[in-house]
Parts: sequence; structure tokens; C-alpha cells
Amino acid sequence: DTEVTQTPKHLVMGMTNKKSLKCEQHMGHRAMYWYKQKAKKPPELMFVYSYEKLSINESVPSRFSPECPNSSLLNLHLHALQPEDSALYLCASSHTGTGGNEQFFGPGTRLTVL
Amino acid sequence: GENVEQHPSTLSVQEGDSAVIKCTYSDSASNYFPWYKQELGKRPQLIIDIRSNVGEKKDQRIAVTLNKTAKHFSLHITETQPEDSAVYFCAASTMGRDDKIIFGKGTRLHILP
Repeated sequence: DTEVTQTPKHLVMGMTNKKSLKCEQHMGHRAMYWYKQKAKKPPELMFVYSYEKLSINESVPSRFSPECPNSSLLNLHLHALQPEDSALYLCASSHTGTGGNEQFFGPGTRLTVL
Repeated sequence: GENVEQHPSTLSVQEGDSAVIKCTYSDSASNYFPWYKQELGKRPQLIIDIRSNVGEKKDQRIAVTLNKTAKHFSLHITETQPEDSAVYFCAASTMGRDDKIIFGKGTRLHILP
């Protein structure tokens, strides 16, 4: 399996809802990432997990809460989001936590916050 | 921190012609430079990458060049085809430091029939 999968593909939520995004890879990668991508912009790094430990948090608001239950799974828990959080959320993975490795992206979850 | 500038933001070329996209970076410690292609509604996919110990790398119609002194790297696509239409992102990273890759703002490439 050489793909990163993400669920759901689309998500619409209100500002008071709690939801979770899920990401899975079975390539044996030990680094996993969450990115946020707005239309016509590059992916913007949010979090990096290296060997299941949070290694980078790019000063993301606490309404986004990442979780890495094991080396294959990555979740992003969402709570009390704002309309400006509407975006494509991309998960990615790579071999190790030392940089210089290809990042494999999932297809993304298109999130709309009403 | 690292800053990656990418030009042009939009590029239109006639099918069969060549396309060149240029990037500059600011951090001299950066030593890994991937290029990602993102088609409309799809995920970014790596098309080619280069490490700082190499000046040029080719893969069929795609080539990347790196000038470490000037902190420039470029993507060259020859004999462009309609399926090359997409947004291309250059990026920079530092091997052995962390997993951050810093993306350029992207170039929207249109291949004209």
C-alpha cells in the first residue's frame, strides 16, 4: 500500500460542533503531518509527528488538537472552529523525522465551517 | 527562518514548448529541494527533487537545476503536454534538522493548445 488515505472527504460543521479528521498510512513511515491549504495557496504546515511524538506545532490555535494513536494513524480533532478555518486539510507522511524525505500527501478533507 | 520565493505566479505556454519556473531560498542550510505538482482538486505529488550535492537532475521531460551560491533552483519542463497543466510548488528543507518543508507560493501553469 503506497497511499495515504483520509476520511471524510468532505465535512460541514457548525461553530459549536466537535468533529475529527482521520489519516492513515501503511508505508511504515514514522513522520506524519497536518497541513491546511486555502484556495490558490501552498499547503501551510500545522503539526508534525515524528515517531508518534509531536515534534512541531506551528502555533496552531488550540481549537485544533492533533493525536497520533499509533505509527499508522493520525487524527485532527476540531472544536469551536471559525468560518475562516474552512479549507482543505491535507495529511502527509514520510520515512523519518530528519527531513530530506519525500512527503506523500493524502487526498485531503474539504472542511466548511458555517 | 527559511523563505522561498517562486516566480512566475502564472505561466502560459504553447503545447510542445518549454516551461521554466524559478525559485530562490534564503537559508543557506537548506539542502533538499522538492517540486510538487497539484492538479485541480487533487493532492500535491512529488515530481522531482534535488539535494544540494547535485547541480542538476533529469527525469524524462522534467529537469531541476540548483545554484547553491546564488540560492536559486529551477524546474524545466520540455515538450509540454496538456496534462502538464497544474499548479507547481517548489520547496526547501534541511536534511538532518527537522521535517519542515517550506513551500513557495506556487505557479499555475497553463498549456495552450
